[in-house]
Amino acid sequence: DAGVTQSPTHLIKTRGQQVTLRCSPKSGHDTVSWYQQALGQGPQFIFQYYEEEERQRGNFPDRFSGHQFPNYSSELNVNALLLGDSALYLCASSYDPAEQYFGPGTRLTVT
Amino acid sequence: SQKIEQNSEALNIQEGKTATLTCNYTNYSPAYLQWYRQDPGRGPVFLLLIRENEKEKRKERLKVTFDTTLKQSLFHITASQPADSATYLCALGDTGRRALTFGSGTRLQVQP
Repeated sequence: DAGVTQSPTHLIKTRGQQVTLRCSPKSGHDTVSWYQQALGQGPQFIFQYYEEEERQRGNFPDRFSGHQFPNYSSELNVNALLLGDSALYLCASSYDPAEQYFGPGTRLTVT
Repeated sequence: SQKIEQNSEALNIQEGKTATLTCNYTNYSPAYLQWYRQDPGRGPVFLLLIRENEKEKRKERLKVTFDTTLKQSLFHITASQPADSATYLCALGDTGRRALTFGSGTRLQVQP
């Protein structure tokens, strides 16, 4: 049974560019959440998707947007990249919201 | 505002000893609390979940306590091994907000 997968593993972008990160949830999970983790900090919640709708959103600007597909996979899009967007982006899937399983993350570097 | 505090200083212990990590929170009434292990550059790995009506939970060498009066959770690893060296994150959640709120983690180093 595959766990949560994310792609790509690493990404380098330039300020002002746009990026799309992808996540496939664990089998049987219908909810996907995205988190941003800066170095030395805990993950910070960006938003959560359920039934292809954004169900909850954290304190992130509109430059951060997402999508969930009918097969429950999800994308995170970030527009107009800033240096401060450099971080590890984590996807977590769940069926019970109290038990979230994280993927390996995508390391985004903005130069 | 909600605040979760974990000891930012690394915890160094000898192999075989019990490691105890602390998670304190303020301005929050969580329905459950979770502990995760995170290795460098990797995603967090779920370890244990404890709900607000539970005082203690055990899994193999791991034990978690949850005191909603003190607003504190303790995470114990007994008979620690060098392979237990990692950063341990606590996260709080509630039934209303489905998002997890994380502490910044405590790095544990187990010396052989």
